[in-house]
Amino acid sequence: GAGVSQSPRYKVAKRGQDVALRCDPISGHVSLFWYQQALGQGPEFLTYFQNEAQLDKSGLPSDRFFAERPEGSVSTLKIQRTQQEDSAVYLCASSLELLAGSQGQYFGPGTRLLVL
Amino acid sequence: DQQVKQNSPSLSVQEGRISILNCDYTNSMFDYFLWYKKYPAEGPTFLISISSIKDKNEDGRFTVFLNKSAKHLSLHIVPSQPGDSAVYFCAASRANTNAGKSTFGDGTTLTVKP
Repeated sequence: GAGVSQSPRYKVAKRGQDVALRCDPISGHVSLFWYQQALGQGPEFLTYFQNEAQLDKSGLPSDRFFAERPEGSVSTLKIQRTQQEDSAVYLCASSLELLAGSQGQYFGPGTRLLVL
Repeated sequence: DQQVKQNSPSLSVQEGRISILNCDYTNSMFDYFLWYKKYPAEGPTFLISISSIKDKNEDGRFTVFLNKSAKHLSLHIVPSQPGDSAVYFCAASRANTNAGKSTFGDGTTLTVKP
């Protein structure tokens, strides 16, 4: 069984460029999360999906950030007009909803975004 | 205001000895506390958790202790092995909120010397 995969693994963008980051969760996992991890810090919550419904987007730092999961499986995090402060590792995680609180989430390897 | 804090950025121990990683939190509404382990260029991997109604949970070499009155938890690794060298993140979640949306500390880098 494959784990959570993310692509691309590395992305270099010029300031002002739009980027799209992809996440393939574990098959059958209802819940999908996006986190942003700045250098030397822990992951910070961005947004949460239950199937295709985005139930919490309270962590998205600005309206330049947009996430979708149209068919309840693959998710895309889009960042428009990237800024240097968007440079970070973007982590995707999935889980079986009923167990996530105690059993944790399954994380992908992350996409490292560098905005020049 | 950081709700989960790991005040020690790094810890170095000798192989075979005990490693103790600490974590403090401020929100008394958390239902679960989790530890994740992270190797370079990989995502965090779930290690062990504890419910807020327990004070201890053990899994092999790993034991987590929870002191609710002090809002403090710790992860004990006994005996420590070189393969345990990694960044350890403490996290907290609420059971009925968004399927375990987690709040993370900034991590402690553990180095186990052979």
